Amino acid sequence: EPEVTQTPSHQVTQMGQEVILRCVPISNHLYFYWYRQILGQKVEFLVSFYNNEISEKSEIFDDQFSVERPDGSNFTLKIRSTKLEDSAMYFCASRTDYTGELFFGEGSRLTVL
Amino acid sequence: QQPVQSPQAVILREGEDAVINCSSSKALYSVHWYRQKHGEAPVFLMILLKGGEQKGHEKISASFNEKKQQSSLYLTASQLSYSGTYFCGTALNSGNTPLVFGKGTRLSVIA
Repeated sequence: EPEVTQTPSHQVTQMGQEVILRCVPISNHLYFYWYRQILGQKVEFLVSFYNNEISEKSEIFDDQFSVERPDGSNFTLKIRSTKLEDSAMYFCASRTDYTGELFFGEGSRLTVL
Repeated sequence: QQPVQSPQAVILREGEDAVINCSSSKALYSVHWYRQKHGEAPVFLMILLKGGEQKGHEKISASFNEKKQQSSLYLTASQLSYSGTYFCGTALNSGNTPLVFGKGTRLSVIA
């Protein structure tokens, strides 16, 4: 069964460092998303991406965040200068159309020290 | 815009039933239900679209009351495997709008 894959599964970084989280969405999916979940809390929307550009972003997705799809398969989330409050589980998700089921990856746990 | 879920947590014995509610102050186009087990990714359960439909998935079903902008998830004859956090995600229109999730309902099924 096709799945969304994410790497790394866990990353520990120092405050102020840059982090890149990688995702490979399901191959025939067209809509891509990043969500994050602080431990024990709700799943929060960060950004949606379609046709090689950002469709929508939340207030959380400030200038420290960026996304790109460099090679038609990978979908990356970059945090330029990490803060302690960026510590969370980051989920990538994709779907075939914008009304359908979201398929989530297993997540990348980011710990900022 | 964030939907409100209730209850926040519920504990059931195997075989008991539960209802989880998800309500919005805004008119919804669709409601999605997901279950997340500890340390795992959310897993899709079902989608309900505007029109007041009801769907079933084995012993888990859901309804969407368009007039009340409320969806309810029904878990009948609960099993240990039903334990997890249930999230509803809502979309306000049929366009490319992201799902906004509620805070979740933690369900614990005990033997």
